Amino acid sequence: EDQVTQSPEALRLQEGESSSLNCSYTVSGLRGLFWYRQDPGKGPEFLFTLYSAGEEKEKERLKATLTKKESFLHITAPKPEDSATYLCAVQAPYSGGGADGLTFGKGTHLIIQP
Amino acid sequence: GAGVSQTPSNKVTEKGKYVELRCDPISGHTALYWYRQSLGQGPEFLIYFQGTGAADDSGLPNDRFFAVRPEGSVSTLKIQRTERGDSAVYLCASSSGQAGELFFGEGSRLTVL
Repeated sequence: EDQVTQSPEALRLQEGESSSLNCSYTVSGLRGLFWYRQDPGKGPEFLFTLYSAGEEKEKERLKATLTKKESFLHITAPKPEDSATYLCAVQAPYSGGGADGLTFGKGTHLIIQP
Repeated sequence: GAGVSQTPSNKVTEKGKYVELRCDPISGHTALYWYRQSLGQGPEFLIYFQGTGAADDSGLPNDRFFAVRPEGSVSTLKIQRTERGDSAVYLCASSSGQAGELFFGEGSRLTVL
């Protein structure tokens, strides 16, 4: 069974204090790993897709990296508006999430204090 | 509208009642998904449509849950004989086919008393 574990569950940082969020996964035949951002009361918003170990993607203060067992979401010099829950998801050939469906982790709740 | 639209945004019902939740996807998106999200959890897959047909309904928890997409656009999730455990946010997402890049609506929050 595909599993996605995110850590920490919650993280509180000061504005400008860089850190990393972890996503560990076990999946047979990873097709892709995805990061989403979710604000309170909203649906998840797509951030990144990673397909193979060693791949990196960047967007503003965020950088996502992928190894064979885990992915990291690095946040550099965060601002209060980066506060949100960050969700990691995997896609496998038979993930049970439909042909393009995803299996999500529980997320990391990130708070950036001014 | 430009995004995925879900109605109602909030629904409070009594145990045993029937509920319908509606999703209007992004125009032109052929793939449509329903997910359920409980407090403190990630979204949990329910059902996936490609066009009008349910390509994968393996996530539906039991036969009280059913979804349709008769014209390949709007979809309705139907829940019969609601139970308190059905309380959650029901998220709809659509996709143009770019693997894993789903566009989510804001969800319908269902509360069963």
